[in-house]
Amino acid sequence: DTGVSQDPRHKITKRGQNVTFRCDPISEHNRLYWYRQTLGQGPEFLTYFQNEAQLEKSRLLSDRFSAERPKGSFSTLEIQRTEQGDSAMYLCASSLGQPNTEAFFGQGTRLTVV
Amino acid sequence: DAKTTQPTSMDCAEGRAANLPCNHSTISGNEYVYWYRQIHSQGPQYIIHGLKNNETNEMASLIITEDRKSSTLILPHATLRDTAVYYCIVAEYGNKLVFGAGTILRVKS
Repeated sequence: DTGVSQDPRHKITKRGQNVTFRCDPISEHNRLYWYRQTLGQGPEFLTYFQNEAQLEKSRLLSDRFSAERPKGSFSTLEIQRTEQGDSAMYLCASSLGQPNTEAFFGQGTRLTVV
Repeated sequence: DAKTTQPTSMDCAEGRAANLPCNHSTISGNEYVYWYRQIHSQGPQYIIHGLKNNETNEMASLIITEDRKSSTLILPHATLRDTAVYYCIVAEYGNKLVFGAGTILRVKS
């Protein structure tokens, strides 16, 4: 499978715990994006990377959220001290970042904070 | 904020063409029109994109008006599996995609 892979697919955690999600982009895609989606809404942009550099962060990305892409390949999104409002689907996408190309999404990680 | 306006929902009969409109009156010269769809509980699926010419692939056709202020996604023979939320997005290549609420397309037998 050469698509965008996300792990885990589902995560249930207790409020106050830390969680980490992983995204493996399509090989050779140098741009990687994180989105969050709550029920009934379209995906909301969180942050994106060009190779290992984090180029933009949404104001939605509070201090409890951190994303890394240490070697320009896979990326992790960590949420510290989770709150019930963090319950959502977290989506990762990747693209070549070149003219006339598109981004491809993974199947997402569904987080439930109880 | 999303730069596109789409109807909230549409119905289509199975086997008929589904025509989904999108307005993007503030589109700039460098921005592409992208269409994605999302079936319940799955990640968004890329459908098609274009800059100013009409485009066609195995999934759909994209018709962009000459002034580029609106476009229409056409699913030529809709099936029940095409029931989904369809998002029209304008963005420069490589830039983040800003999603709106999309159009809920219901294909009915």
